[in-house]
Amino acid sequence: GQQLNQSPQSMFIQEGEDVSMNCTSSSIFNTWLWYKQDPGEGPVLLIALYKAGELTSNGRLTAQFGITRKDSFLNISASIPSDVGIYFCAGLGGANSKLTFGKGITLSVRP
Amino acid sequence: KAGVTQTPRYLIKTRGQQVTLSCSPISGHRSVSWYQQTPGQGLQFLFEYFSETQRNKGNFPGRFSGRQFSNSRSEMNVSTLELGDSALYLCASSLYQGMTKYEQYFGPGTRLTVT
Repeated sequence: GQQLNQSPQSMFIQEGEDVSMNCTSSSIFNTWLWYKQDPGEGPVLLIALYKAGELTSNGRLTAQFGITRKDSFLNISASIPSDVGIYFCAGLGGANSKLTFGKGITLSVRP
Repeated sequence: KAGVTQTPRYLIKTRGQQVTLSCSPISGHRSVSWYQQTPGQGLQFLFEYFSETQRNKGNFPGRFSGRQFSNSRSEMNVSTLELGDSALYLCASSLYQGMTKYEQYFGPGTRLTVT
């Protein structure tokens, strides 16, 4: 079945640094979604991407839909302590398919 | 617009019991999906409902079931609970499948502990 790869499992950065994370797959997706989850809460949708090559920003967050449609990237600039959490990517294939999630990357920000 | 709501937020059950979790999607959303989240396995897809019909199903045993009502509210049921069923159960809603710009929004989850 479809799988999304997110690595590493954890990232540790200094406050103020930029961080990039990617999500790769052997399958083609038509939609990429990026989520952030805080402890004990449900994931919150950060950015949605719908076209190969698309670059979308949401404040300090920027995400890109890979040209091959098999990957997506999320960049967080000038990190702050509240960026701590788990970041998930999710991809949607054809119509009537289910959303496939990566295992997530846990981001820690050192003050 | 109110977000996805899930009740209860926390639940403690004993092995062998059964449990029903409830989810109310965002107003106007007709598709509801359920996920199980555990530290080791991440987000595991359970099933998806659209217009009261199950559209997709994950690889879970038959003890896990769900349904959707005409107002799009959904329930999931787990019978004969096992210790391994302890997890955060997340519900997510979207307008409908097949839409051009698909977005799925999650509720806060129900934390189920089986003792």
